[in-house]
Amino acid sequence: RKEVEQDPGPFNVPEGATVAFNCTYSNSASQSFFWYRQDCRKEPKLLMSVYSSGNEDGRFTAQLNRASQYISLLIRDSKLSDSATYLCVVNNNNDMRFGAGTRLTVKP
Amino acid sequence: EAGVAQSPRYKIIEKRQSVAFWCNPISGHATLYWYQQILGQGPKLLIQFQNNGVVDDSQLPKDRFSAERLKGVDSTLKIQPAKLEDSAVYLCASSLQGLREQYFGPGTRLTVT
Repeated sequence: RKEVEQDPGPFNVPEGATVAFNCTYSNSASQSFFWYRQDCRKEPKLLMSVYSSGNEDGRFTAQLNRASQYISLLIRDSKLSDSATYLCVVNNNNDMRFGAGTRLTVKP
Repeated sequence: EAGVAQSPRYKIIEKRQSVAFWCNPISGHATLYWYQQILGQGPKLLIQFQNNGVVDDSQLPKDRFSAERLKGVDSTLKIQPAKLEDSAVYLCASSLQGLREQYFGPGTRLTVT
């Protein structure tokens, strides 16, 4: 089992749709969690940190489920500019592990 | 605030040659990371520094890869000799401390022919 697993997609959704991604992790001792977005041929950019209580930033909502060892990202009212690869990151004792990413394409 | 700087942006070398990459992290960031990202995959951590000390280099192929951060600021990553499978983007990132969010540089795209 991979340490961090994501559905690679691609997810193809129309503008305005709501889309959700999950990311599962194997190390129950993991301490911090993040979502990054990566555009084609660009570096990853931090989208949001994921807190135990869940957190929201505009159209984006991130949640952590420690019991089931997964984090989720919900995007509401998708925009064309949301098209990217979304990477989840799990950190255990300074050991950062990235998922392979989920590709999202938002279409007009 | 200036971001993470990396150079060169692109490099093409032949197999068995050597190559070096340079990274300058965000000012004040104690933790520096080098990642290798192969097309279609997520970044893979090669080495992590806390100031000038190595925190984790468990995934660094030490027979050919080396890295240093002598003064706790800039860092260099070297490959000697390069293999075809080293073709990838090499990303440098920094963070205030180990468990905090990371900020990435633009990466160096390496092609080994």
